[in-house]
Amino acid sequence: NAGVTQTPKFQVLKTGQSMTLQCAQDMNHEYMSWYRQDPGMGLRLIHYSVGAGITDQGEVPNGYNVSRSTTEDFPLRLLSAAPSQTSVYFCASSSGVEAFFGQGTRLTVV
Amino acid sequence: GENVEQHPSTLSVQEGDSAVIKCTYSDSASNYFPWYKQELGKRPQLIIDIRSNVGEKKDQRIAVTLNKTAKHFSLHITETQPEDSAVYFCAASDSGYSTLTFGKGTMLLVSP
Repeated sequence: NAGVTQTPKFQVLKTGQSMTLQCAQDMNHEYMSWYRQDPGMGLRLIHYSVGAGITDQGEVPNGYNVSRSTTEDFPLRLLSAAPSQTSVYFCASSSGVEAFFGQGTRLTVV
Repeated sequence: GENVEQHPSTLSVQEGDSAVIKCTYSDSASNYFPWYKQELGKRPQLIIDIRSNVGEKKDQRIAVTLNKTAKHFSLHITETQPEDSAVYFCAASDSGYSTLTFGKGTMLLVSP
């Protein structure tokens, strides 16, 4: 099993550009979530989903959109990238017990 | 919402010593407390977890204790080895949907 797969692994954006970070899981997990990790800040929840068609905001949702059209996929959209969104982004999935993380996407906004 | 405080931010020990990392949480509704290990450039990986109906859990050299009254939980690593060097994160969940609130992490350095 691949587990949780994130693409791309690295990305450089210019301020104002938009992009989508992809996340896919093959474990048939209901719950998926996006976190950002910044130095000294731990991981902070951006958005999460408890099933297809259902999403909700986490601690730091501003500037990001999500949708969940299938159980497998949970893309994160940056609408207009800002330097403050430079971070490492992790997608996670869970059956309601242990959370499994993807390998992360390192995003730099210049 | 939930708030998780983690101490210390860095911890240096000699190989073979024990290491203890402590976390406190604010929401008494939290019922799931995992610990993650993250090596440089890698994803967080679960090393041990505990639920609110259990006071202590052990897995070989790793143990976690939970004090619900005081709202704190701790990670204990015995007989530390250089490969234990990493950043450790505690987390708490009160939603029931595996949305985690993380502490800010502890960098553990184990010197040979």
